[in-house]
Amino acid sequence: SAVISQKPSRDICQRGTSLTIQCQVDSQVTMMFWYRQQPGQSLTLIATANQGSEATYESGFVIDKFPISRPNLTFSTLTVSNMSPEDSSIYLCSPRVGETQYFGPGTRLLVL
Amino acid sequence: AQSVTQPDIHITVSEGASLELRCNYSYGATPYLFWYVQSPGQGLQLLLKYFSGDTLVQGIKGFEAEFKRSQSSFNLRKPSVHWSDAAEYFCAVAPSSGTYKYIFGTGTRLKVLA
Repeated sequence: SAVISQKPSRDICQRGTSLTIQCQVDSQVTMMFWYRQQPGQSLTLIATANQGSEATYESGFVIDKFPISRPNLTFSTLTVSNMSPEDSSIYLCSPRVGETQYFGPGTRLLVL
Repeated sequence: AQSVTQPDIHITVSEGASLELRCNYSYGATPYLFWYVQSPGQGLQLLLKYFSGDTLVQGIKGFEAEFKRSQSSFNLRKPSVHWSDAAEYFCAVAPSSGTYKYIFGTGTRLKVLA
C-alpha cells in the first residue's frame, strides 16, 4: 500500500485566484493520477502524471487550467488556475502501486 | 463502451443486518476489479481487489466480494453491518493491460440505522 498526504486539506478561495495542491507519497511511484470529485458525484480523472514526462489530460481538462508538476517519484502538485465557483470540488491524488491505485485524503476546495 | 454500473444509489440497512452492494461491468475481457469506501470528509480507502484466482475475495473490515464472470458482476457483501460502515462505496474496474485507467461506478451511499 502507500501512505499519501495532501496539502491543503481544505481551502476557501476567491474567484480568479489559483491554488496549488501538493501530494506526497511515502514510496516511489511511477504513475500518479489526479481526480476531481464534485459534490455528491463519482470521481472524474483529470490527468495522468508520470515522472519525467508531460502530464496527459483527459477530455475537458487542459494544462492551462490544471497545470501539473511531477518533479520526482514521491511528489506531485496540481494547480487549479483562474478559479470559478464551478471548480468547487474535492481534488484527489492517486498513486498507482503495482496494479492498485491508492488515494490521498483529498483537498476540499470552495470557490466564492 | 466500457462501463461500471452500481444500480443502487442509496441503501439503508439496520445495524447487524447483512449487506450486499451490487456492481456490474461491461468490458471486453476480465478486468481488474476493486471496491473502495469513502467515509464523510475522507479520501477513498481500498476495501478489496480481484485480479485472478479464487472468485471470492476477502477484504478489510469484514467485507468480501464475489466475482461472477457469467453475470459480469462483482458484488460486495458483509454479514453484519456496523454503524461505522455508513459511507459511500465505489466499485471500479481497470484493464488488465493497456491504458491502466480506472472506471468508477457512480457510488452507493449506505445508511445504517441504529
